[in-house]
Amino acid sequence: LAKTTQPISMDSYEGQEVNITCSHNNIATNDYITWYQQFPSQGPRFIIQGYKTKVTNEVASLFIPADRKSSTLSLPRVSLSDTAVYYCLVGEGNTDKLIFGTGTRLQVFP
Amino acid sequence: EADIYQTPRYLVIGTGKKITLECSQTMGHDKMYWYQQDPGMELHLIHYSYGVNSTEKGDLSSESTVSRIRTEHFPLTLESARPSHTSQYLCASRGRGPNYGYTFGSGTRLTVV
Repeated sequence: LAKTTQPISMDSYEGQEVNITCSHNNIATNDYITWYQQFPSQGPRFIIQGYKTKVTNEVASLFIPADRKSSTLSLPRVSLSDTAVYYCLVGEGNTDKLIFGTGTRLQVFP
Repeated sequence: EADIYQTPRYLVIGTGKKITLECSQTMGHDKMYWYQQDPGMELHLIHYSYGVNSTEKGDLSSESTVSRIRTEHFPLTLESARPSHTSQYLCASRGRGPNYGYTFGSGTRLTVV
């Protein structure tokens, strides 16, 4: 399974756009990229998943360059409730298990 | 609205007691998982299952055991709880296909005193 590297923490203010980049240099051809959000004392919540180019849903956008060695989660106009830990995971399309790294702790200030 | 349920939400128990953490999902998912997470730390996979009568150990060694007698049910058991088992235990399930994300339960926070 490809290892991922992402910043340990990020700070932002309400209303700003936040971009969290994840590096996955050893991503395999059939690997998907998935992002999760976790609030304290809760289980992670699926945010978005992509394979290449750009994916957008009601919560976030995911940008994946052509070489797929990195990906960027974009959160538009964050609010205080977006304060959480964000995990980037890379695994086979139908992997039996995903490995969570340390994630990025996003703190949104008023 | 949660489709995967974990009980109890919080549990404080004495050393040496046997405990079972319950996990049930209503989505008909074949694959189910147990993760262990200490406060502020990353999640570690301790058990997973491909389906009924299938169980596998995860990457983190655990003294717990699991069973999968029914698709919707994946309980985790500690035969003799110890303070080192104090942690949060998260259950998850996943549907088929390459683009199915995991659905996690709210977790059980276990404290062994």
